[in-house]
Amino acid sequence: GAVVSQHPSWVICKSGTSVKIECRSLDFQATTMFWYRQFPKQSLMLMATSNEGSKATYEQGVEKDKFLINHASLTLSTLTVTSAHPEDSSFYICSARHSRSYNEQFFGPGTRLTVL
Amino acid sequence: SQKIEQNSEALNIQEGKTATLTCNYTNYSPAYLQWYRQDPGRGPVFLLLIRENEKEKRKERLKVTFDTTLKQSLFHITASQPADSATYLCALRDLGGGYNKLIFGAGTRLAVHP
Repeated sequence: GAVVSQHPSWVICKSGTSVKIECRSLDFQATTMFWYRQFPKQSLMLMATSNEGSKATYEQGVEKDKFLINHASLTLSTLTVTSAHPEDSSFYICSARHSRSYNEQFFGPGTRLTVL
Repeated sequence: SQKIEQNSEALNIQEGKTATLTCNYTNYSPAYLQWYRQDPGRGPVFLLLIRENEKEKRKERLKVTFDTTLKQSLFHITASQPADSATYLCALRDLGGGYNKLIFGAGTRLAVHP
């Protein structure tokens, strides 16, 4: 149980285009989902926290108009990178917290974004 | 400033030995601390959680200690195997300042040699 999936697992796009990444909790309801970004050999950096049905809370320095987050249901959150640039190339990882277990977060397999 | 520090150098050990990884933190008041395993190109996988009032936690070949005085957690893998080779991340949930989010260290890469 407690499986989180992400789609796509990797994506290559041209500079200026938008990319949408999906995060799904497959066998549990996730009232809260988190989006992280990880650069090579660095730690996971929290970008934003989203609660189902409400606006996401962004971390300091993360542009909410560039990284659009939608958490429309208890099993799906999406991250859209708008007008992507090469510096947005990174490994994006989502995480979901079970509504019954406040302490545990389950992570997706990540999405590798490369912007040319 | 707030910091979570893990040894950035890779830890190389021989199969069968005990691997010990360190996580130190500064200016946090963690309610609990977690350890994750991350393989290349994959998301983190949860291993163990230890609360601030717990000194030690075990799970099979894994052991975690938590010293709030030293502000340090140690992660041990006994009888290590080549399959244990991965990057291990510590993460703490900081409740100070009204925040409630998981904050990660950069991880330590472990390589277990046959």
